[in-house]
Amino acid sequence: AQKVTQAQTEISVVEKEDVTLDCVYETRDTTYYLFWYKQPPSGELVFLIRRNSFDEQNEISGRYSWNFQKSTSSFNFTITASQVVDSAVYFCALSEVTGANSKLTFGKGITLSVRP
Amino acid sequence: DVKVTQSSRYLVKRTGEKVFLECVQDMDHENMFWYRQDPGLGLRLIYFSYDVKMKEKGDIPEGYSVSREKKERFSLILESASTNQTSMYLCASSLVLRGSIYNEQFFGPGTRLTVL
Repeated sequence: AQKVTQAQTEISVVEKEDVTLDCVYETRDTTYYLFWYKQPPSGELVFLIRRNSFDEQNEISGRYSWNFQKSTSSFNFTITASQVVDSAVYFCALSEVTGANSKLTFGKGITLSVRP
Repeated sequence: DVKVTQSSRYLVKRTGEKVFLECVQDMDHENMFWYRQDPGLGLRLIYFSYDVKMKEKGDIPEGYSVSREKKERFSLILESASTNQTSMYLCASSLVLRGSIYNEQFFGPGTRLTVL
């Protein structure tokens, strides 16, 4: 069965600190996709990144970076020089493919608070 | 830009009422999903649909039904609302799986339902 574990539930940092959000997954699929979503206080989940299981290159987008390690089944997300606007709930998700259809399994989310 | 809209941001209903939550997407996506989000539990899939008039149960379908009469619209129905269905309900849509590409889901703003 698919499973996504986000062991951290709440993280609080001071602005400009770096912070890493952990994500560990379990799957029997050989081909799968991992995602990170951000849910700001407004409520709407915003897609941040998609990574497939064959691409273990790390990715950087501005202050955001992602570290995918298949050997440890982890897909961690780092925010460098955090800002108050980064305060949100962050979800990691794993794809599950069944035939032509597909769905996502989400972790329970990490609430990040960035204090000025 | 993909737009997923939900009929209400906030809804208050009484126990036993029949409740309809509507979701509309404007990007011709084949897949549509309904989730509920509860503190400490993350997002849990209720139902999804990969085509008009097609539906699949998610992880927690009990007490819910769905309807997809048109491609752009996916309705969630609470036949007889109960207090334990008080929650945030999120709708999402995505393109169907094509080849090896799993497409991200786009989310609506959510409906916060309170059942008294």
